Amino acid sequence: AQSVTQPDIHITVSEGASLELRCNYSYGATPYLFWYVQSPGQGLQLLLKYFSGDTLVQGIKGFEAEFKRSQSSFNLRKPSVHWSDAAEYFCAVALTYGGSQGNLIFGKGTKLSVKP
Amino acid sequence: NAGVTQTPKFRILKIGQSMTLQCAQDMNHNYMYWYRQDPGMGLKLIYYSVGAGITDKGEVPNGYNVSRSTTEDFPLRLELAAPSQTSVYFCASSLGPGTGFGAQHFGDGTRLSIL
Repeated sequence: AQSVTQPDIHITVSEGASLELRCNYSYGATPYLFWYVQSPGQGLQLLLKYFSGDTLVQGIKGFEAEFKRSQSSFNLRKPSVHWSDAAEYFCAVALTYGGSQGNLIFGKGTKLSVKP
Repeated sequence: NAGVTQTPKFRILKIGQSMTLQCAQDMNHNYMYWYRQDPGMGLKLIYYSVGAGITDKGEVPNGYNVSRSTTEDFPLRLELAAPSQTSVYFCASSLGPGTGFGAQHFGDGTRLSIL
């Protein structure tokens, strides 16, 4: 069955440090992958998506993610974290078949805290 | 540019009461979704709709009902509220297959407590 695993529940980084959030997926077909961000008290916002082609995708707010088929991973990265990046981050895979196509399967999320 | 609007933002219900969570979008999206979010559990799909008059169950539909009479609105109804339905509910919409595939736009949520 399709699933998304985010191994880290909570990560703390210092402002200005680099960031990598891990995501592993299980999906039988070619995966369509997404990262969403949720600030406290708000809904989710799309950061970036991967459909095909270049395995390194750029998103909003300076984030990027790399698709690695051999590792079934889609890790999110940022070279230098800002205090405003403190939020919860969700990785997701889209179903691509039948009447459920477009439905998203979400990971459980990684909460990012940023130290001054 | 409102996007996806959810009302109310907060609500406390007693066990056995019923209520409707409202969701409206102004982007002319055909696809709409209802999720619930519980701490540490991510988002679980309750119901979804691919257009007016068409709805289908998601992963956790028990205890909920939906209708979709217009493209803009997708209300979620709780008939007999139970403590297990205490959660944060999110509505989302998307264009559907094509360039908007998987790119869902979310409302700010409704925080519901059942006591």
